[in-house]
Amino acid sequence: NAGVMQNPRHLVRRRGQEARLRCSPMKGHSHVYWYRQLPEEGLKFMVYLQKENIIDESGMPKERFSAEFPKEGPSILRIQQVVRGDSAAYFCASSPPGPSTDTQYFGPGTRLTVL
Amino acid sequence: DAKTTQPTSMDCAEGRAANLPCNHSTISGNEYVYWYRQIHSQGPQYIIHGLKNNETNEMASLIITEDRKSSTLILPHATLRDTAVYYCILQGGATNKLIFGTGTLLAVQP
Repeated sequence: NAGVMQNPRHLVRRRGQEARLRCSPMKGHSHVYWYRQLPEEGLKFMVYLQKENIIDESGMPKERFSAEFPKEGPSILRIQQVVRGDSAAYFCASSPPGPSTDTQYFGPGTRLTVL
Repeated sequence: DAKTTQPTSMDCAEGRAANLPCNHSTISGNEYVYWYRQIHSQGPQYIIHGLKNNETNEMASLIITEDRKSSTLILPHATLRDTAVYYCILQGGATNKLIFGTGTLLAVQP
């Protein structure tokens, strides 16, 4: 059973461009979470999605950031008009359908560098 | 804010047991104690979790005090590859999100 997959692993964008980060959950998992880790800082929750629904986006910046988890295909974290402060590692996690206590399994992350 | 407190760093000799403590005095009855680790900027790796009973798996053991206000993660025979930041996290209740604290940097020494 393949783990959580994220691509690209590394992404370089210039200021003002758009960044799209993709996350394919583990097989059978319908819950997806995105976390961000700024340089030399801890991981911070961004958003929690189930298929076609955003459940909790309390950690998402109010502007430029959006996330989706369509019925078919991977979850997408989209950052519009990137700025240098968006440079970070973005981790996706998934868990099976079930209670909030289910284990979250993390992907390897996407490292975004904004020039 | 994280509901757990952990020492900032610890050292352990290779081959010895590593005992990582965690305080969670405000834990709720339906919250589980989860442990993850992050090896040098890789994705966090799940280690073990428990509610109130002690747990053991192929990676580690988890000892939870009877009042559930603290716990200890035990790596029975630490290796250099166990050098990582270890996070103790409470999961459950009204939210699914994980709230990471600063964790404990475990340095396994040769």
